Amino acid sequence: GAVVSQHPSRVICKSGTSVKIECRSLDFQATTMFWYRQFPKQSLMLMATSNEGSKATYEQGVEKDKFLINHASLTLSTLTVTSAHPEDSSFYICSASRSDQPQHFGDGTRLSIL
Amino acid sequence: RKEVEQDPGPFNVPEGATVAFNCTYSNSASQSFFWYRQDCRKEPKLLMSVYSSGNEDGRFTAQLNRASQYISLLIRDSKLSDSATYLCVAILNTGFQKLVFGTGTRLLVSP
Repeated sequence: GAVVSQHPSRVICKSGTSVKIECRSLDFQATTMFWYRQFPKQSLMLMATSNEGSKATYEQGVEKDKFLINHASLTLSTLTVTSAHPEDSSFYICSASRSDQPQHFGDGTRLSIL
Repeated sequence: RKEVEQDPGPFNVPEGATVAFNCTYSNSASQSFFWYRQDCRKEPKLLMSVYSSGNEDGRFTAQLNRASQYISLLIRDSKLSDSATYLCVAILNTGFQKLVFGTGTRLLVSP
């Protein structure tokens, strides 16, 4: 099956640090990549959708200047949490899809801001 | 009101039991539905699609009732390895396939 790799899997850093998370589709070209966030005991919430070579579309309530998304190629998207604060601590998961094919999820990144 | 609602559980059942989960969705424009399984601190994994005609895969049966906007998942002969959180997902076609997740129902199968 399709493989999506997400890195790093775990990040612990100080408040004010910017953190970059990578999402790679390893065996297919992903026309669209998605970024989700999941707080404890809550559902996965879509943060933004990105198509290769164009600006990401953010969901309502998600600050685009806070969560920078770059989708420079068909196999790589990055999410940068700028000036992270403790309330940004969460489980961030990416997914990738091609055309109307199902989304394939990465392993997730657990972010802890101290 | 949440777009996809589930009973969070947990459902505690013994091995071999049959257990059913329900899910309701509020957006009648939802086009497709799925059940995902999520283990603790892991990414969600697709379990099965849900159709009005029903979908059976081994011990798992999923059903969709569009009139009632209701989705179900039945697990027969529960195994210890079935312990996980089961996520109900609706898909909206908004130019791309937007997945809307429920909060999940936690299942604990005990020996």
